[in-house]
Amino acid sequence: QSALTQPASVSGSPGQSISMSCTGGSSDVGGYNSVSWYQQHPGKAPKLVIYDVSNRPSGVSNRFSGSKSGNTASLTISGLQAEDEADYYCNSYTSNTTHVFGTGTKVTVL
Amino acid sequence: EVQLVQSGAEVKKPGESLKISCKGSGYTFANYWIGWVRQMPGKGLEWMGIIYPDDSDTRYSPSFQGQVTISADKSINTAYLQWSSLKASDSAMFYCARLLAASIDTWGQGTLVTVSS
Repeated sequence: QSALTQPASVSGSPGQSISMSCTGGSSDVGGYNSVSWYQQHPGKAPKLVIYDVSNRPSGVSNRFSGSKSGNTASLTISGLQAEDEADYYCNSYTSNTTHVFGTGTKVTVL
Repeated sequence: EVQLVQSGAEVKKPGESLKISCKGSGYTFANYWIGWVRQMPGKGLEWMGIIYPDDSDTRYSPSFQGQVTISADKSINTAYLQWSSLKASDSAMFYCARLLAASIDTWGQGTLVTVSS
């Protein structure tokens, strides 16, 4: 099972909106509404920011939003803040194994 | 509060065996899938496999099938990840994680495994 494809890096200035993609296939992203997104700061465990494509867990800022079209899911961070600088990983349920992560995107706040 | 607490960092030599643990609290441990995730230094997250503690149904990602063993003891709310013969390439951070439907809602703090002669 190959990792889902994410851009290696995305950057933006404070206050801007940025988006990152997560591309898979019909056996994972496109086949299920089970895409989740995780934020990981250096040296820390990942943290769930979006589940089931577009749902935010309690306590996660509403600046984080998710969507999906076909085999590609997206995470948008609006009103970018310095604290958003981190690595972001998507994850999907897959019919082939169980789950698969994306390759990860490094977000830099300029 | 739902928590997963992992065992401490390990330093091992190639060829040695190792078993690391993940203890759950604050919920009914047996009724949620637990997954193990590898993160090699400077690299991304990789699923290793998952286990359902109630009946020990275990599923491995193809890359890890035969390389590690995942187990659980629901009587003590603990899941395990073990190696029979470590290699230097097994050096990584390992996280356990609780699955809520198809997403991970709770992560352990991570166990750093270093394999070096």
